[in-house]
Amino acid sequence: EVQLVESGGGLVQPGRSLRVSCTASGFTFGDYAMSWFRQAPGKGLEWVSFMRSKTHGERTEYAASVRGRFTFSRDDSKGIAYLQMNSLKTEDSAVYYCARFIYGSGRYYGMDVWGQGTTVTVS
Amino acid sequence: DIVMTQSPLSLPVTPGEPASISCRSSQSLLYRNGYNYLDWYLQKPGQSPQLVIYLGSNRASGVPDRFSGSGSGRDFTLKISRVEAEDVGVYYCMQAVQDPYTFGQGTKLEIK
Repeated sequence: EVQLVESGGGLVQPGRSLRVSCTASGFTFGDYAMSWFRQAPGKGLEWVSFMRSKTHGERTEYAASVRGRFTFSRDDSKGIAYLQMNSLKTEDSAVYYCARFIYGSGRYYGMDVWGQGTTVTVS
Repeated sequence: DIVMTQSPLSLPVTPGEPASISCRSSQSLLYRNGYNYLDWYLQKPGQSPQLVIYLGSNRASGVPDRFSGSGSGRDFTLKISRVEAEDVGVYYCMQAVQDPYTFGQGTKLEIK
């Protein structure tokens, strides 16, 4: 079964750090770009960051609201994507979702698999 | 950043009746390869988002054919030909033509 499972969320004080993980199974992780999204309580979806596959140079981009504070990394051998979150703010409180997608060489099929999310509370 | 605007924000629908959601972008979503980088996602109550439509008009795997997407450039529409109870939730459009990827505000579909 194709699956993404987030973990690592929790309660953290403002200014502190937290790392959330996204563990993949059921597919060749290295073939896919990965993205992080978040959803604050009662709010809509917000894109946070993505990282392309190694084939496409592992290009990484961030939303302006997290650039310089958050770092996306991936370990293709383990099938895990990470989001290191530093200098956390109360407004970073949200459910964080990871999703896979293919992007490059003219191909794109949407964010076709999402995890169940992990909750980060900054307070 | 590309601003995505959905309407309506609330959509009560009688089962068996059609439904339509509009999504307008502040810039064209047409990429040089001829595809519109516009997705539709459904977030059912208490669940993660799920892909419904990608590249404006392509149904995702497992999505019933009562769902269809259309449009090009800046104007897009998601249509459900006959709404069923399982279709309730919040529908979001998202552009992926340039980062930052941005979403519409969401349209809450509910059953009358």
